[in-house]
Amino acid sequence: KQEVTQIPAALSVPEGENLVLNCSFTDSAIYNLQWFRQDPGKGLTSLLLIQSSQREQTSGRLNASLDKSSGRSTLYIAASQPGDSATYLCAPRAYFGNEKLTFGTGTRLTIIP
Amino acid sequence: EAGVTQSPTHLIKTRGQQATLRCSPISGHTSVYWYQQALGLGLQFLLWYDEGEERNRGNFPPRFSGRQFPNYSSELNVNALELEDSALYLCASSSPPLGQSTDTQYFGPGTRLTVL
Repeated sequence: KQEVTQIPAALSVPEGENLVLNCSFTDSAIYNLQWFRQDPGKGLTSLLLIQSSQREQTSGRLNASLDKSSGRSTLYIAASQPGDSATYLCAPRAYFGNEKLTFGTGTRLTIIP
Repeated sequence: EAGVTQSPTHLIKTRGQQATLRCSPISGHTSVYWYQQALGLGLQFLLWYDEGEERNRGNFPPRFSGRQFPNYSSELNVNALELEDSALYLCASSSPPLGQSTDTQYFGPGTRLTVL
């Protein structure tokens, strides 16, 4: 059974700082891994998807890395802004044919203006 | 392009009643997923429907059920509601699973179910 842990659970940083969110998972036999953000009481917005064959994926100020063998992924946010305040979730997906996403516990990020 | 839509936004029921939640996927998507986000428990996978059939089910009791219609929209039914069913229920959709590791699930805004 896949278990996903995200560290830290909460993080507050001043605006403009670069930061790293961590995700670890127990079953390395994944198909891909997605990072999402969730604003309070809202649905999820997909930020990045890394295929199992990739090591990195970038979108604007966001960069996600994947080390499948060690069961780790990181989300790097450059030059943080108050609008980045949200909960960030990572979700590895099992093998093709089992479309279930297993979500981490999330990191609640607050950017201080 | 319209995203995933869910209705109602909020639903208030009393213990023992039945709740019906609805989801319309993105046009062209055939797969619909349901997730429960209860306070303190994180997001948990409930059900996956594709082409009208249930393909996978999470660790939830049988009183959680659903179906997918020919237009690929979906309903989630929760019978004999219990207080702990209070949660945000999220629906997601994706294009046909073709073995592409770029397959992405797109989420709707959710239905907030409150059981009194």
